[in-house]
Amino acid sequence: DIQMTQSPSSLSASVGDRVTLACRASQNIHTSLNWYQQKPGKAPSLLIYAASHLQSGVPSRFSGSGSGTDFTLTITNLQTEDFAIYYCQQSQTAPRMTFGQGTRLEI
Amino acid sequence: QVHLVDSGGGVIQSGGSLRLSCVASGFSFRSYGLHWVRQAPGKGLQWVAFIRSGGIDTFYADSMKGRFTISRDDSKNTLYLQMNSLIPDDTAVYYCAKEEYSESPSFDHWGQGTLVAVSS
Repeated sequence: DIQMTQSPSSLSASVGDRVTLACRASQNIHTSLNWYQQKPGKAPSLLIYAASHLQSGVPSRFSGSGSGTDFTLTITNLQTEDFAIYYCQQSQTAPRMTFGQGTRLEI
Repeated sequence: QVHLVDSGGGVIQSGGSLRLSCVASGFSFRSYGLHWVRQAPGKGLQWVAFIRSGGIDTFYADSMKGRFTISRDDSKNTLYLQMNSLIPDDTAVYYCAKEEYSESPSFDHWGQGTLVAVSS
């Protein structure tokens, strides 16, 4: 099984900041990596697919990069609505697609 | 506009059964693969099961294999998850999710979730 590890587990930031969240796969997954945002009491929503492709409707302050085993999600000019939990997901073994444990982004 | 509505959750005793439903609208239901994902209270996301378009091929997470059955009724635009032999560790919010197939398959739309609570 491919294990996904996110770091840090939690991160404090302020409105206007630029933050970078990391996700590491236990083996090479090429660019088979997606990012989701989850707000309290809500379902997750897709932000980035295939490591760097912005999902339709997602603000351009979100960007993703990486390939192989190391990936990052960068959020520039943080807005209040961006404070949430972020999950990475590998799709290399689709349809069995495992998630990382999440990074909580806090004010 | 794509819409997924999950239902069927509730409180159930250990060893019991429950069937979850997910009614879809706004897209060509029969053409897409569909997943169930769950989230235990205060925990992360765990993939549960997948059913391919056409309904022939199904896949399960190891801990659910043999206890859970995913199915679909394309005439009703509805996805199901039959859960048997439930244990307290199955307590979670269960989400259905539509798969968007691309160079990296992803879950582009999700239901609102339905809570299953298994009591011991």
